[in-house]
Amino acid sequence: AQSVSQHNHHVILSEAASLELGCNYSYGGTVNLFWYVQYPGQHLQLLLKYFSGDPLVKGIKGFEAEFIKSKFSFNLRKPSVQWSDTAEYFCAVNAMGSNTGKLIFGQGTTLQVKP
Amino acid sequence: EAGVTQFPSHSVIEKGQTVTLRCDPISGHDNLYWYRRVMGKEIKFLLHFVKESKQDESGMPNNRFLAERTGGTYSTLKVQPAELEDSGVYFCASSQGGADTEAFFGQGTRLTVV
Repeated sequence: AQSVSQHNHHVILSEAASLELGCNYSYGGTVNLFWYVQYPGQHLQLLLKYFSGDPLVKGIKGFEAEFIKSKFSFNLRKPSVQWSDTAEYFCAVNAMGSNTGKLIFGQGTTLQVKP
Repeated sequence: EAGVTQFPSHSVIEKGQTVTLRCDPISGHDNLYWYRRVMGKEIKFLLHFVKESKQDESGMPNNRFLAERTGGTYSTLKVQPAELEDSGVYFCASSQGGADTEAFFGQGTRLTVV
């Protein structure tokens, strides 16, 4: 069965620190990869996605992620976090080209950035 | 353009009662998904509509859950009768296409069964 694992459940950083959130997936075929973010009181929104091409993808708000196929990983990074990055982050995958876009999510990582 | 909207935002009901959640997708989005997050766990897929048809309902927990999408517009998810373990946040998402398109999420409905 497909699964997604996020290594950190709760991360606390000071402003300007660098961020890396781990994500590994388990799936035998080709996948599309996503990072979603949920800010307090808001809906889930897409940070970035990888479908094909350059494995280093850039998203909104200075976030980027690197797809490493050999490691089944799609880690999220940001060089310098801000207080406004405090949120919950979700890694997700779906089966590329399938007739259903259902997403398989990781457990989520809560990021708290101290001012 | 309006996003995905869900009603109500919160619902507290007693065990054994019935609750109906509603989702209005983005206009023109044929694909509509329901997900659920039980506290402390991951967001889990419930089912997928393409227009008014159920494409995949493999994630529905049991027959106490009934989803409909009459006319291919808004969708409802009814829980009858509700049990304590049904508590959680129910998310709806919509997209124009299948796997290779972005899904847009609503704010979710927080359901508490007491």
